[in-house]
Amino acid sequence: AQSVTQLDSQVPVFEEAPVELRCNYSSSVSVYLFWYVQYPNQGLQLLLKYLSGSTLVESINGFEAEFNKSQTSFHLRKPSVHISDTAEYFCAVSDPGPKSYSGGGADGLTFGKGTHLIIQP
Amino acid sequence: ETGVTQTPRHLVMGMTNKKSLKCEQHLGHNAMYWYKQSAKKPLELMFVYNFKEQTENNSVPSRFSPECPNSSHLFLHLHTLQPEDSALYLCASSWNRDGELFFGEGSRLTVL
Repeated sequence: AQSVTQLDSQVPVFEEAPVELRCNYSSSVSVYLFWYVQYPNQGLQLLLKYLSGSTLVESINGFEAEFNKSQTSFHLRKPSVHISDTAEYFCAVSDPGPKSYSGGGADGLTFGKGTHLIIQP
Repeated sequence: ETGVTQTPRHLVMGMTNKKSLKCEQHLGHNAMYWYKQSAKKPLELMFVYNFKEQTENNSVPSRFSPECPNSSHLFLHLHTLQPEDSALYLCASSWNRDGELFFGEGSRLTVL
């Protein structure tokens, strides 16, 4: 079974400073990788994903993540954070291998414990 | 608006009550999921339905009973719950084989 490790449960950072949220996964085979964000009292929203191709993926709000196969990592970065970025961030992985059923759908994602990003003014 | 709607958003119940959580997706997806989110723990996958058929049950206690009458609706029936079952229950749906999930806003359950 796959596992996802987010070493930092909480990351405080000053507004307009850069930030990196770390994510490592256990599988050495091909995977799909995701970052989700959860604002207070809301569900999870997709921030960005890596499926194939360029190892650097970007979101529309300035976040980026780089897939590093040799280090089995998918760290999330932002060069300058804003107070509105305060939220819980979850890294997740899925197995792109053959499914046991036909058609669409998936087997669900395996999530890390999350990192609480705290932006200080 | 995420395309996945969960009701109720908040629920308080006693250990002897019976209640249900409802999830509806308007995205045309064929797979639906229940996840449990507890403080300081990773999201736990509880149930997966593909084409209305349950394909995964991660050893969830029988006091949680899922129902998927069609590919757009998913229920989680609750009975004789324990206080440790208090958590945020998240519904999600998906279509693409890349596994991307679309989540509802969750139902916050408190068991007294």
